[in-house]
Amino acid sequence: DAMVIQNPRYQVTQFGKPVTLSCSQTLNHNVMYWYQQKSSQAPKLLFHYYDKDFNNEADTPDNFQSRRPNTSFCFLDIRSPGLGDAAMYLCATSRGRDQPQHFGDGTRLSIL
Amino acid sequence: AQTVTQSQPEMSVQEAETVTLSCTYDTSESDYYLFWYKQPPSRQMILVIRQEAYKQQNATENRFSVNFQKAAKSFSLKISDSQLGDAAMYFCAYRASGNTPLVFGKGTRLSVIA
Repeated sequence: DAMVIQNPRYQVTQFGKPVTLSCSQTLNHNVMYWYQQKSSQAPKLLFHYYDKDFNNEADTPDNFQSRRPNTSFCFLDIRSPGLGDAAMYLCATSRGRDQPQHFGDGTRLSIL
Repeated sequence: AQTVTQSQPEMSVQEAETVTLSCTYDTSESDYYLFWYKQPPSRQMILVIRQEAYKQQNATENRFSVNFQKAAKSFSLKISDSQLGDAAMYFCAYRASGNTPLVFGKGTRLSVIA
């Protein structure tokens, strides 16, 4: 009965080859977030959607884009992955911005 | 800018004993929320406990409790009767009210010794 589902758990891509990570939720939450977490570091917010309203963090590289076609799904697109983009990518949802966030299992991205 | 500091990169505790994880934060806001998240190895991050800054009473969830000292900007987590399943990375996090991001500390890795 997973509520925030990230696919795949592990993703390998080549340097410079676009990759898309997906996240879906069964909670019907308004807000969806994408975090990047590098080894032994804290998660870092990349951006979030409040419904269809996209909010980008100021220091998120242009290489990272996101789409939310409907309430349930949110995608993270990395246009030209570099070696420094290898990380765990966490998706989270919350009912509102003031509500606790529920995390998925994450997708570990490796760059060859 | 708000910052969250966890000064203990690693901690260990004997099974059934009590351990306290430290967290301090820096903010000029008066209305905010504090959280402790648990991230077991290769598993999802889950919310352990949440504290609203306007509440003076310390939050408690079963074996988990916090010591919230607003004036000192301190928010420590106490785990009582530690269990093997408590072994994880613990992140302290802060969020101001409104449309603001969750700011995490660097985490404390807790080991539980049988």
